[in-house]
Amino acid sequence: SQQGEEDPQALSIQEGENATMNCSYKTSINNLQWYRQNSGRGLVHLILIRSNEREKHSGRLRVTLDTSKKSSSLLITASRAADTASYFCATRGGGNKLTFGTGTQLKVEL
Amino acid sequence: GAVVSQHPSRVICKSGTSVKIECRSLDFQATTMFWYRQFPKKSLMLMATSNEGSKATYEQGVEKDKFLINHASLTLSTLTVTSAHPEDSSFYICSARSWDTNEQFFGPGTRLTVL
Repeated sequence: SQQGEEDPQALSIQEGENATMNCSYKTSINNLQWYRQNSGRGLVHLILIRSNEREKHSGRLRVTLDTSKKSSSLLITASRAADTASYFCATRGGGNKLTFGTGTQLKVEL
Repeated sequence: GAVVSQHPSRVICKSGTSVKIECRSLDFQATTMFWYRQFPKKSLMLMATSNEGSKATYEQGVEKDKFLINHASLTLSTLTVTSAHPEDSSFYICSARSWDTNEQFFGPGTRLTVL
């Protein structure tokens, strides 16, 4: 099964800075989604980008998708301490199953 | 928005016992439900996909007799961890896909600790 790789595995920044997380995947996809998970909690859907889209915005989030490189990035601008969480990309391929990346643990310090 | 609930949120059991986890879609019908397992600081690994009224499809390496899945209705799926052992301790997350919108929603997870 395809498994996305995310980097960095962990990221620590100061409040107000931007955080960028990258995701790479292996096979063709219909769409790519980003999720957030607070420690010990379920997943919160952040944003979905379709395979024919290159960039998408939602509030302080900006997602890019490069299907030729099989990669995506999530940018969180003006980060806040409350953004501290793990972030996962997930791809939906031909089998219509969501496959998750390895995740990036983001810590935003005051 | 669509809500998926899981019960219990936490369970501690003795080795050798069986534990049942419920997953419910509260305000939508889900023809397909998914069960994931997550180890600390790791990604979610799909265990199985269940469709209402039919047998679950398990991912490679997941023991069918160990992890029993029942998807009895369009709003309820259960995962039973049979004869649990400490290595089964994990965070189990269910997900339900809406039959009309095809969106997938996640439950809050169940923390299983086997002593």
